[in-house]
Amino acid sequence: DAKTTQPTSMDCAEGRAANLPCNHSTISGNEYVYWYRQIHSQGPQYIIHGLKNNETNEMASLIITEDRKSSTLILPHATLRDTAVYYCIASNNAGNMLTFGGGTRLMVKP
Amino acid sequence: DTEVTQTPKHLVMGMTNKKSLKCEQHMGHRAMYWYKQKAKKPPELMFVYSYEKLSINESVPSRFSPECPNSSLLNLHLHALQPEDSALYLCASSRLLAGVYNEQFFGPGTRLTVL
Repeated sequence: DAKTTQPTSMDCAEGRAANLPCNHSTISGNEYVYWYRQIHSQGPQYIIHGLKNNETNEMASLIITEDRKSSTLILPHATLRDTAVYYCIASNNAGNMLTFGGGTRLMVKP
Repeated sequence: DTEVTQTPKHLVMGMTNKKSLKCEQHMGHRAMYWYKQKAKKPPELMFVYSYEKLSINESVPSRFSPECPNSSLLNLHLHALQPEDSALYLCASSRLLAGVYNEQFFGPGTRLTVL
């Protein structure tokens, strides 16, 4: 699986958009980009995933660059409950192996 | 029912004990996973079961023995553990169709302390 690189931590004001970047410059053509988050003392929670096209669901939007070397997770209106560690993962095309990296600790502040 | 349950929530055991962790899901998922998470570290994949058969073992020591008795249940049997095995053990499940695994649903984990 391709290695991903994320900033260690980020702050965001409550109600504003949180934009979390991820670099995956060695991603192969059949690897998906997955995003999960882990709120303190809970199991990870799936957020969104994509291959080439931008994706949106009720939780977030995923913007993948045309060359697929990086992506951005967007939480449109961050709330205090979005404070968590966010993991960007480039998964094998079968999707059965998630290699979690260090993640970004997002702190949403009032 | 859209959740993965794990029991017990907490477990303290000695190095000579034998214990088991249990994971259950009723979403009809045919893939189930065990992860280990040390404090302040990301989760690490241990085992993957596909259609109740072990499909991936990430070089886990034999003192950890997984078992999948049916499509809803996943156990992790523990024997002769070391203090460094203390961690949060996470179970997950996902749909599996035509060889493609969908997003994983995680349980809350069992926090294990080995004395």
